[in-house]
Amino acid sequence: GENVEQHPSTLSVQEGDSAVIKCTYSDSASNYFPWYKQELGKRPQLIIDIRSNVGEKKDQRIAVTLNKTAKHFSLHITETQPEDSAVYFCAAKRNNFNKFYFGSGTKLNVKP
Amino acid sequence: DTAVSQTPKYLVTQMGNDKSIKCEQNLGHDTMYWYKQDSKKFLKIMFSYNNKELIINETVPNRFSPKSPDKAHLNLHINSLELGDSAVYFCASSPRTGGDTQYFGPGTRLTVL
Repeated sequence: GENVEQHPSTLSVQEGDSAVIKCTYSDSASNYFPWYKQELGKRPQLIIDIRSNVGEKKDQRIAVTLNKTAKHFSLHITETQPEDSAVYFCAAKRNNFNKFYFGSGTKLNVKP
Repeated sequence: DTAVSQTPKYLVTQMGNDKSIKCEQNLGHDTMYWYKQDSKKFLKIMFSYNNKELIINETVPNRFSPKSPDKAHLNLHINSLELGDSAVYFCASSPRTGGDTQYFGPGTRLTVL
């Protein structure tokens, strides 16, 4: 089955700096890669996703890049703000399969 | 935001008891899930149902029994609760089987004493 590894487990940045979180996956058949943000005590919420036919996707201050050859994808947050502080999860899934494989999460702390 | 709702939000109970968590989605989705999030925040899938039919059953003790009376509801019953069952349980739904987008419920924090 799929194995998703996520790094780092914790990340502390100064407000205004950029943050990068990386995930690797093992199943070359995975073709959908979402990122979820989970604030303390709240539910995971989808913030951005990418499919394997695209190398990069951007939505305002967040972007995701995918390298299919190396089997890794990354979340980039620019101009970080204190409200970006949360746990971020990556995930991978095969097309038409129901099972999402989650990374272990990255706790991002943005210091004002 | 009540697209996916769960009850109760908090559940505190003694070891050995039996308890249920209810989940409802009003999005018209076909597929529903149960996830367990442990103290280290790791999200692990437990079950997935498509239109009332069980399609994923991970290695979960048989003390956990999901029930889907209709495609808008997926309940989780847990027998003989153990200390290790303490976690946050999230329900989620997707528009169709194999669909990519998931919407999570608010979670149920279960504490077993």
